[in-house]
Amino acid sequence: QVQVVQSGAELKKPGASVKISCKASGYTFTANYMHWVRQAPGQGLEWMGWLNPNTGGTNYAQKFQGRVTMTRETSVSTAYMELTSLRSDDTAVYYCARGGDYKEFLQHWGQGTLVTVSS
Amino acid sequence: EIVLTQSPGTLSLSPGERATLSCRASQSVDSTYLAWYQQKPGQAPRLLIYDATNRATGIPDRFSGSGSGTDFTLTISRLEPEDFAVYYCQHYDSSPFTFGPGTKVDI
Repeated sequence: QVQVVQSGAELKKPGASVKISCKASGYTFTANYMHWVRQAPGQGLEWMGWLNPNTGGTNYAQKFQGRVTMTRETSVSTAYMELTSLRSDDTAVYYCARGGDYKEFLQHWGQGTLVTVSS
Repeated sequence: EIVLTQSPGTLSLSPGERATLSCRASQSVDSTYLAWYQQKPGQAPRLLIYDATNRATGIPDRFSGSGSGTDFTLTISRLEPEDFAVYYCQHYDSSPFTFGPGTKVDI
């Protein structure tokens, strides 16, 4: 069965960077896009962008352009999301989610990674 | 950027009742590239409906989606206790794939 497992919670200081991993199993890693979505405490869902694990191509929401980098390591079926210049309002649960087989609805979600930004 | 608006913000209903949730897009969503997700407290969202009308694997048939263009609806025909949650719509027509603000269905 498809599984997407994320790395654990992070505590970072303002200005620092965080890199979250998302390990996929149960399907061909390069066959589906991987998306990243975040959710601030008590707030809604915010789409950050996608990664094409086959080519390494990316598409970022404009809000995060210049601060986010999505990469992958195909040998271990893992996608990564790095966010730099962290601010307090980056405190959120970050999710990776696998796209569908032919369209980019978010079919399989990771469990979420809490990133807390605090001095 | 396509902006999604959901209404109502909160829907207070009882088990067994019908729930009708609305999602409106600021511009037409091409080819019904719209999904609905359910999220319960402390959990990741779960895909319910994709392509506006198709139930995801394992989703009970009391959930149904309809609509096209700019107006979409999620209907829960008879609420079960486990259906009380927050529901989000999302389009995947063109980047950015924005979400609506959510509708909370509570008792």
